[in-house]
Amino acid sequence: DGGITQSPKYLFRKEGQNVTLSCEQNLNHDAMYWYRQDPGQGLRLIYYSQIVNDFQKGDIAEGYSVSREKKESFPLTVTSAQKNPTAFYLCASLAGDIGNSPLHFGNGTRLTVT
Amino acid sequence: ELKVEQNPLFLSMQEGKNYTIYCNYSTTSDRLYWYRQDPGKSLESLFVLLSNGAVKQEGRLMASLDTKARLSTLHITAAVHDLSATYFCAVDPQGAQKLVFGQGTRLTINP
Repeated sequence: DGGITQSPKYLFRKEGQNVTLSCEQNLNHDAMYWYRQDPGQGLRLIYYSQIVNDFQKGDIAEGYSVSREKKESFPLTVTSAQKNPTAFYLCASLAGDIGNSPLHFGNGTRLTVT
Repeated sequence: ELKVEQNPLFLSMQEGKNYTIYCNYSTTSDRLYWYRQDPGKSLESLFVLLSNGAVKQEGRLMASLDTKARLSTLHITAAVHDLSATYFCAVDPQGAQKLVFGQGTRLTINP
């Protein structure tokens, strides 16, 4: 079955360490997105990529980095520069024009930094 | 900067009652989306509204879009417990190929 796979589901790190969250899709979607969700809040866009080897900053890109070397993969690195990294991270993908179809979301990675 | 605001943020209602969730947005857009999220889970797409006056219905849920008023509504008819979840609206700002989300409405339906 096609879908978006995020791993791991839960991730624990010490403060000051960089950590990379995986997002893989086999839907052959061109665009991929990373959102962050804090408890009781909506989703905020971190980065997005509409084609391979190209990506754009979202509203809260500081302290994060991404790469898009393959169509199927869009990993997110949470760096030590991110002040409050503990959150639920959601990856999404899109086929074609966002006007015709909704974003498809993965199951998320819950990151806890202590 | 596009702002998307939902009202109310919390809603507790009894089974069998009707209610409406409102979603206002601050800039021109004719693309609005509704999602459902269960606790600890990902988001599930409910409706895609792409034009002024669009209305979509699925079971006890009906969504509408008024682009002139920059307002979308999600109406719940004869609520049942299974509809308890958090509901988000999201807007694509001027064809930017990304979504800006509202804060979410946490809906609790009591027997």
